[in-house]
Amino acid sequence: AAGVIQSPRHLIKEKRETATLKCYPIPRHDTVYWYQQGPGQDPQFLISFYEKMQSDKGSIPDRFSAQQFSDYHSELNMSSLELGDSALYFCASTSWKVKNIQYFGAGTRLSVL
Amino acid sequence: GESVGLHLPTLSVQEGDNSIINCAYSNSASDYFIWYKQESGKGPQFIIDIRSNMDKRQGQRVTVLLNKTVKHLSLQIAATQPGDSAVYFCAETPNGGATNKLIFGTGTLLAVQP
Repeated sequence: AAGVIQSPRHLIKEKRETATLKCYPIPRHDTVYWYQQGPGQDPQFLISFYEKMQSDKGSIPDRFSAQQFSDYHSELNMSSLELGDSALYFCASTSWKVKNIQYFGAGTRLSVL
Repeated sequence: GESVGLHLPTLSVQEGDNSIINCAYSNSASDYFIWYKQESGKGPQFIIDIRSNMDKRQGQRVTVLLNKTVKHLSLQIAATQPGDSAVYFCAETPNGGATNKLIFGTGTLLAVQP
């Protein structure tokens, strides 16, 4: 079965650079969530989209933005990167029509040097 | 969820024993709970879920118990295997949330000794 695809898997950036993370949800899933997980920490909700509209917002810095496109894939844009942004970034998808269980991708590991 | 830094609570069990992982949740209005398993370098993997109108649910080798009175959730794994070694997170969805965002609890590292 198709899973959530995230790219890239690993990303190394310098401080103050920008980064774009991509997420391709499971086919027919219309809702996408982004989470940030620091080392040894639990995932923290950042933002979510339903049918291409932002549906909820968590502890996402103003330097970050995201959107969901017509094909339901989502991108998380991160600017003016800081050392503290180094983390695993997970995307999860679900569908209101099926279940509310969120299925997670393998994540993007971002390292800011 | 509240961060615990680099020191996760750890449960060490012998292969074949039963494991019980506990979780305290924060929001008494939450109506949906999920257990996830996260192996090193991977995304959280769904294990089992339970709604607030239930107090027990069983899956294959796993059972989730919900005690709403004390806001406590537990995951029981029968006949624990080395492949069960991972970090386990409980997560809750606040009632009335439009998006079902997950609020994760502190993870527990399960270490299975052969």
